[in-house]
Amino acid sequence: EAGVAQSPRYKIIEKRQSVAFWCNPISGHATLYWYQQILGQGPKLLIQFQNNGVVDDSQLPKDRFSAERLKGVDSTLKIQPAKLEDSAVYLCASSLSGGGAETQYFGPGTRLLVL
Amino acid sequence: AQTVTQSQPEMSVQEAETVTLSCTYDTSESDYYLFWYKQPPSRQMILVIRQEAYKQQNATENRFSVNFQKAAKSFSLKISDSQLGDAAMYFCAYRSGNYGQNFVFGPGTRLSVLP
Repeated sequence: EAGVAQSPRYKIIEKRQSVAFWCNPISGHATLYWYQQILGQGPKLLIQFQNNGVVDDSQLPKDRFSAERLKGVDSTLKIQPAKLEDSAVYLCASSLSGGGAETQYFGPGTRLLVL
Repeated sequence: AQTVTQSQPEMSVQEAETVTLSCTYDTSESDYYLFWYKQPPSRQMILVIRQEAYKQQNATENRFSVNFQKAAKSFSLKISDSQLGDAAMYFCAYRSGNYGQNFVFGPGTRLSVLP
């Protein structure tokens, strides 16, 4: 079974530029999560999708971050414009239906460096 | 808002010995789930073990077990017969029993296994 795929793996941009990350979850998983993991910290949930609908985006900085999952499968996370403090690893995860005790399966992450 | 605290930024253990990682959390809810996730160096995060708050029995998964003290809001992870492959960052995580509530991760504990 293929795991969660993310691309690109690494990205270096200058502040005020735009960047987009892509995630393809495990086939059949209805729930998709985007996390931000700043160096030395635990992951922080940015947004949770159930199929193509948003379940929770309370911690997404909506003035600069956006995410979509149009067909309920893969998803993109965009930052526009980027700030220095956005440097982090962006993790995508998926789970079967979003139930409380479910296992989340994580992708390898995209490491972003904003200069 | 819920918080998760891991008071040990770093721990080390001798191969084949036992180590316990600490986690405390703060919540006013009675229905929730607790998890330990492992993040090996440059590898994807994977679930180690989970505990439903309504279950009194502590969860076990092979060499991994938890000590869940609901009244004390404590959720420690015990690793028995430590192996070199156990070296990783370990994150304690909390999830509300209310559907759609987000995951909260602790700051992590870096575990080193000494040969």
